Amino acid sequence: EAQVTQNPRYLITVTGKKLTVTCSQNMNHEYMSWYRQDPGLGLRQIYYSMNVEVTDKGDVPEGYKVSRKEKRNFPLILESPSPNQTSLYFCASSSGGGHNYGYTFGSGTRLTVV
Amino acid sequence: GQSLEQPSEVTAVEGAIVQINCTYQTSGFYGLSWYQQHDGGAPTFLSYNALDGLEETGRFSSFLSRSDSYGYLLLQELQMKDSASYFCAGRAAGNKLTFGGGTRVLVKP
Repeated sequence: EAQVTQNPRYLITVTGKKLTVTCSQNMNHEYMSWYRQDPGLGLRQIYYSMNVEVTDKGDVPEGYKVSRKEKRNFPLILESPSPNQTSLYFCASSSGGGHNYGYTFGSGTRLTVV
Repeated sequence: GQSLEQPSEVTAVEGAIVQINCTYQTSGFYGLSWYQQHDGGAPTFLSYNALDGLEETGRFSSFLSRSDSYGYLLLQELQMKDSASYFCAGRAAGNKLTFGGGTRVLVKP
């Protein structure tokens, strides 16, 4: 089944403890992206990647890091999480080809930083 | 960058037609996408307009006017399962998406 898989689904952590949210897609998509979703603020892009080793900042990159060493994986790293990073996070991927620019989203990771 | 505006909420009855408008201010605009998100779920892709005009996919249609920096999503023959949030998203270089704030559609019997 074609899908984007994020782990974990739920995570509670403490301020300052480094964490990684993994994202993997099995569709051979070139484009991958991370979003956070907060009430009243919609979906805001954190980082995106156009291919292996090609990443760029989105609208809210502060406090986050990403890497794209393999086409299928795009982990999101929080080196020193803070309570304002408590949010619902989505990873997404897209082929970006032809007329199909739609992104397929993972199921989401609900992160709480205390 | 881009910014997209859409109404926060729309209520309609089953069988009705709902139009969700989206206006955008942007540089480097390539096209307009629409996504649906049910409560507790992930966004799912509905449609994409690169050119002016209407794109129809079953009960849903999407329209774009580049000269007016405006688009809309039309939901026809509303069903209870259409109760969800709908997001417009502007596409830019690198397949980068910027989302509007979302419109919550409530369908009543």
